[in-house]
Amino acid sequence: QVQLVQSGAEVKEPGASVRVSCKASGYTFTSHDINWVRQATGQGLEWMGWMNPKTGNTGSTQKFQGRLTLTRDTSISTVYMELRSLRSEDTAVYFCARGRESTITTTAFEHWGQGTRVTVSS
Amino acid sequence: DIVVIQSPLSLPVTPGEPASISCRSSQSLLASNGYNYLDWYLQKPGQSPQLLIYLGSDRASGVPDRFSGSGSGTDFTLKITRVEAEDVGVYYCMQTLQLPLTFGGGTKVEIK
Repeated sequence: QVQLVQSGAEVKEPGASVRVSCKASGYTFTSHDINWVRQATGQGLEWMGWMNPKTGNTGSTQKFQGRLTLTRDTSISTVYMELRSLRSEDTAVYFCARGRESTITTTAFEHWGQGTRVTVSS
Repeated sequence: DIVVIQSPLSLPVTPGEPASISCRSSQSLLASNGYNYLDWYLQKPGQSPQLLIYLGSDRASGVPDRFSGSGSGTDFTLKITRVEAEDVGVYYCMQTLQLPLTFGGGTKVEIK
């Protein structure tokens, strides 16, 4: 079965960087985009960006451009999300997600990681 | 960016009774292929979101048939025919027609 397993919780100081991993299993890693969504404590969901593991192409919302880097290691079926210049407002749970098998839509997220809590605090 | 607005913010429900959540978008989500690019998710407390409805009205795998999605263009509705206790959580709609993908603010469903 499809599984997305994320790395553990992180605590970072303001100005630092964090890298969260998302390891995929149960399907062909390069066949589906991986998206990243975050949720600040008590807040709603916010889409951050996507990566095509086959081509390495990425995209992100303008809010994170310049601070967000998505990479992958196809040898271990893992996508990485790096967020730089962290501030307190980046304290959130970060999720990776994959769309369902479909030729019509690739962004109906049927599969989610368990979430990684990132705390930014001095 | 496409703005997505949900209502109500909070929805107290009685088990066995129906419930309905509205989602409106600032632009039509109807694509030239005839599909509406609007999905619904439920996030239960302490869990990752789960996909309920995609493309406006298609139920995801394993989702009970008491959940249904309807609407087209800019106005969409998620309906639960008979609410069960396990349906509590926050419901989100999300437009996937255009990047950046955008979520509604969420509707918290709780038992009265």
